[in-house]
Amino acid sequence: EDQVTQSPEALRLQEGESSSLNCSYTVSGLRGLFWYRQDPGKGPEFLFTLYSAGEEKEKERLKATLTKKESFLHITAPKPEDSATYLCAVRPAGSARQLTFGSGTQLTVLP
Amino acid sequence: DSGVTQTPKHLITATGQRVTLRCSPRSGDLSVYWYQQSLDQGLQFLIQYYNGEERAKGNILERFSAQQFPDLHSELNLSSLELGDSALYFCASSVEPPGPPEEPQHFGDGTRLSIL
Repeated sequence: EDQVTQSPEALRLQEGESSSLNCSYTVSGLRGLFWYRQDPGKGPEFLFTLYSAGEEKEKERLKATLTKKESFLHITAPKPEDSATYLCAVRPAGSARQLTFGSGTQLTVLP
Repeated sequence: DSGVTQTPKHLITATGQRVTLRCSPRSGDLSVYWYQQSLDQGLQFLIQYYNGEERAKGNILERFSAQQFPDLHSELNLSSLELGDSALYFCASSVEPPGPPEEPQHFGDGTRLSIL
């Protein structure tokens, strides 16, 4: 059974204090690992797709990396507007394309 | 704005009732996915439709059903509602190329269903 575990559940940072969020996964053949951001009362907003171990992608203060067992979302010099819940999801090999999500990391960046 | 539209935004009803949630996918997307998000379960996949046909089923109760119409909009029908069905229901859509790379799913802002 495909599983995604995210840690920590919650993270409070001071503005400018860099940190990383972890996503550990167990999947029968990975076709893609996805990072989303979710603000309260909104749907998940797509950030990155990673396909293979060693791959990295960046967007503003966010950088996502992938190994064979986990992915990290590095946040460099965060700002209060980066506060949100960050969700990790995997799509396994096979014809079905639904995503299996982790429970998310709730990030709060204090000014 | 993801381009995925869900209506209504909020729905309040009573146990035993039936409701219909509606989703319009992004222009050009043939696949529609439905997910349920509750506090204790996180985001759970319910069902997927591709160009009008059911493609995959997840943890969807028999009281729930969905369909995708020729104009590609989709409806999720929930019947004999119970208190535990209170949750956020999200629709997502995507392009489905025949091979890699994988295209992401884009989510609407959901329907918040409250059962009293």
